[in-house]
Amino acid sequence: DQQVKQNSPSLSVQEGRISILNCDYTNSMFDYFLWYKKYPAEGPTFLISISSIKDKNEDGRFTVFLNKSAKHLSLHIVPSQPGDSAVYFCAASGVVLGGKLTFGQGTILTVHP
Amino acid sequence: EAQVTQNPRYLITVTGKKLTVTCSQNMNHEYMSWYRQDPGLGLRQIYYSMNVEVTDKGDVPEGYKVSRKEKRNFPLILESPSPNQTSLYFCASSLSFGRGTEAFFGQGTRLTVV
Repeated sequence: DQQVKQNSPSLSVQEGRISILNCDYTNSMFDYFLWYKKYPAEGPTFLISISSIKDKNEDGRFTVFLNKSAKHLSLHIVPSQPGDSAVYFCAASGVVLGGKLTFGQGTILTVHP
Repeated sequence: EAQVTQNPRYLITVTGKKLTVTCSQNMNHEYMSWYRQDPGLGLRQIYYSMNVEVTDKGDVPEGYKVSRKEKRNFPLILESPSPNQTSLYFCASSLSFGRGTEAFFGQGTRLTVV
């Protein structure tokens, strides 16, 4: 039972354009959502997060949007750069769930120069 | 430098031969966990620990053991490895749990069981 789903295994965009990565979840008990970025041969690193009481959080080129009614969140990267090419994981947690992170399957982003 | 260190980075072993993957963090974090990453499945939690001597099962604990005798160390033990445990393993730590506390990950251990 995949509670956090990233339905696009891969995404390819041109440098300078917007990258939009999507994530859906099913468990209403999730109250915090995070995005992690992973380069080959490295562990995932934290990118940005959002609380369920907000609908948007911005950090430089990265913005996460949360639509609670649709149980959907997205990560926008503007403008995209070749160094953004990596695997992006969406993750969710909930205090009542013990706080553990539940991850999606990941989306491979490739940004072409 | 704040980090989570896993060893070894790569390991090839035979079915049934006990092995331990070590994990150590230098951030005085209370919460530590182990994940495995498999194609199409993302990262799945194996075990977690909320503090010394406190451990609990994650989503895929079968075939694994852990211990937390010291705050900084959280080894993953495979008593009798099988080929379906061939995977990429990550250890992670965080200051606490819940409220989206950022988790720091090790570089990973690629395990192959033949």
